Amino acid sequence: AQSVAQPEDQVNVAEGNPLTVKCTYSVSGNPYLFWYVQYPNRGLQFLLKYITGDNLVKGSYGFEAEFNKSQTSFHLKKPSALVSDSALYFCAVRVLRGGSYIPTFGRGTSLIVHP
Amino acid sequence: DAGVTQSPTHLIKTRGQQVTLRCSPKSGHDTVSWYQQALGQGPQFIFQYYEEEERQRGNFPDRFSGHQFPNYSSELNVNALLLGDSALYLCASSLRGFNTEAFFGQGTRLTVV
Repeated sequence: AQSVAQPEDQVNVAEGNPLTVKCTYSVSGNPYLFWYVQYPNRGLQFLLKYITGDNLVKGSYGFEAEFNKSQTSFHLKKPSALVSDSALYFCAVRVLRGGSYIPTFGRGTSLIVHP
Repeated sequence: DAGVTQSPTHLIKTRGQQVTLRCSPKSGHDTVSWYQQALGQGPQFIFQYYEEEERQRGNFPDRFSGHQFPNYSSELNVNALLLGDSALYLCASSLRGFNTEAFFGQGTRLTVV
């Protein structure tokens, strides 16, 4: 079965410190990986994606993610966290199913940035 | 560009009733997907519409049905509502293809009492 896992329900970090939100995946074939952020009572907003090419992907709001094929991981990172980064973060892998590419989302990781 | 818009934003229904949720995709997008997000969970894929046909379906019963119109807008219908159907229902639009990101609406919060 193809899946994505976010091993941490919550990540706490102090403002100004680097942050990492973890994601691992299990797919057959090439993975197409995405990160989304969700603020309270809102839909998801796209942050970045990995399709092919450079393993370090840069996205919106200063976020980046590193694709590691050997560890089947796609961790989200930011060099310096802001209080406004506090939100729910979802990793997603797009899997081929019956001719269409359907995203499968992780359970989400709550990021809390303390002032 | 208005982005993805969903209506209504909140809805309260009684068990056994039927509900229709609506979605207008982002301008230029031809594919609409619907998700159910229970509290504390990630979005669960319900189905995807492209060219007015259901192309893929997740693990949801036939009580969940949909429609896509020629202007690419879409409806999600849920019949015989159960308490467990209470959730945030998200619509996402995209261009068809594996490398395109989805744009989400703000969701419809459905409460079944």
